[in-house]
Amino acid sequence: AQSVSQHNHHVILSEAASLELGCNYSYGGTVNLFWYVQYPGQHLQLLLKYFSGDPLVKGIKGFEAEFIKSKFSFNLRKPSVQWSDTAEYFCAVNPYGNNRLAFGKGNQVVVIP
Amino acid sequence: EPEVTQTPSHQVTQMGQEVILRCVPISNHLYFYWYRQILGQKVEFLVSFYNNEISEKSEIFDDQFSVERPDGSNFTLKIRSTKLEDSAMYFCASRDQGSVAKNIQYFGAGTRLSVL
Repeated sequence: AQSVSQHNHHVILSEAASLELGCNYSYGGTVNLFWYVQYPGQHLQLLLKYFSGDPLVKGIKGFEAEFIKSKFSFNLRKPSVQWSDTAEYFCAVNPYGNNRLAFGKGNQVVVIP
Repeated sequence: EPEVTQTPSHQVTQMGQEVILRCVPISNHLYFYWYRQILGQKVEFLVSFYNNEISEKSEIFDDQFSVERPDGSNFTLKIRSTKLEDSAMYFCASRDQGSVAKNIQYFGAGTRLSVL
């Protein structure tokens, strides 16, 4: 079945540590890829997106993600996290021309000062 | 930055009651969506709405659900007779009329529905 997988649902790390969140999907064909972040009590906010071109995309707040087509992956990274990065992070996949987004389960990230 | 606004933030209801969840999409957007997330599970697509009609719905969106754009600004999700399993966070999203190939959806903060 087509799906989006995010592992390690709960991640706890200290400030200045590096963060990498994995996202794998099982859709064939062309896809659009997204990472959303939800800070406590706030709306889901677009962190970054990939449509085509350079597979390394940079988003807001120092985040970046790399699309590896052969691995069906779109992993999110940040070299040095801050306490304010405490949030839930969602990977989403949109098969080309399709209306809906398919989400992973999310990663709850807690950064300890 | 324009935002999608959802009200209420938390709705508590008794099983069998009707609920209406409200959303105000970004003003120049034309495509509207509802998603839900049951606790511990994935965010799931419910329905998309364009040009005053449903353009796509998932298998979750059965006859108990309906959507409406009653005026130029609101987009509502109605659940006619709530069940315990309807307890979830409901997210509204909207996007503009840009290329369908670049489907960037903007989300609200969600309404947490608790069915007792």
